[in-house]
Amino acid sequence: EAGVAQSPRYKIIEKRQSVAFWCNPISGHATLYWYQQILGQGPKLLIQFQNNGVVDDSQLPKDRFSAERLKGVDSTLKIQPAKLEDSAVYLCASSLRWTANNSPLHFGNGTRLTVT
Amino acid sequence: AQKITQTQPGMFVQEKEAVTLDCTYDTSDPSYGLFWYKQPSSGEMIFLIYQGSYDQQNATEGRYSLNFQKARKSANLVISASQLGDSAMYFCAMRVSGYALNFGKGTSLLVTP
Repeated sequence: EAGVAQSPRYKIIEKRQSVAFWCNPISGHATLYWYQQILGQGPKLLIQFQNNGVVDDSQLPKDRFSAERLKGVDSTLKIQPAKLEDSAVYLCASSLRWTANNSPLHFGNGTRLTVT
Repeated sequence: AQKITQTQPGMFVQEKEAVTLDCTYDTSDPSYGLFWYKQPSSGEMIFLIYQGSYDQQNATEGRYSLNFQKARKSANLVISASQLGDSAMYFCAMRVSGYALNFGKGTSLLVTP
């Protein structure tokens, strides 16, 4: 089966600019997650979707970050305006069953964002 | 609140030796899942092994095993017969009530010839 697809792979922008990331989950996976991974740290959840509804966005900086999942499949994560501290890898993941603790998350290769 | 603690920032192991990566967790929920992921320098997160809180036996997947001590709230990863390709970051993570994975800070493992 095809894995989680993310694009772009790399992005360099100046502060105060906007940027968008795209994710296509594994076919049939209803749950989609966006994580932020700052260099040297573990991934931190930004937002979790179940189909096209938000399950958890408590750690999403809503003044600058937004995310949507149209038709319960693809998702985009946007940052506007970007700050230097947004430099990180943005990982998208999907899982088959969100209510099951034993359902692993499958990750894409991530988008490495550098804000200068 | 849920918390995952990995106290070893970096570990070295010689090829063909076994290595244990430590992980402790904290949750008040009796039902939870514990995961280990590998992140090579290329960046992808690779799922290695899973342990459920009600599982009686320690999980094993090939050269990976999870030493689950529920009373101590620890879930250490054991890699047997290390290979050069095992050099990577390793993350312990926990999932409670179907919510997203909560990750530790990770341990960097370097396998030397």
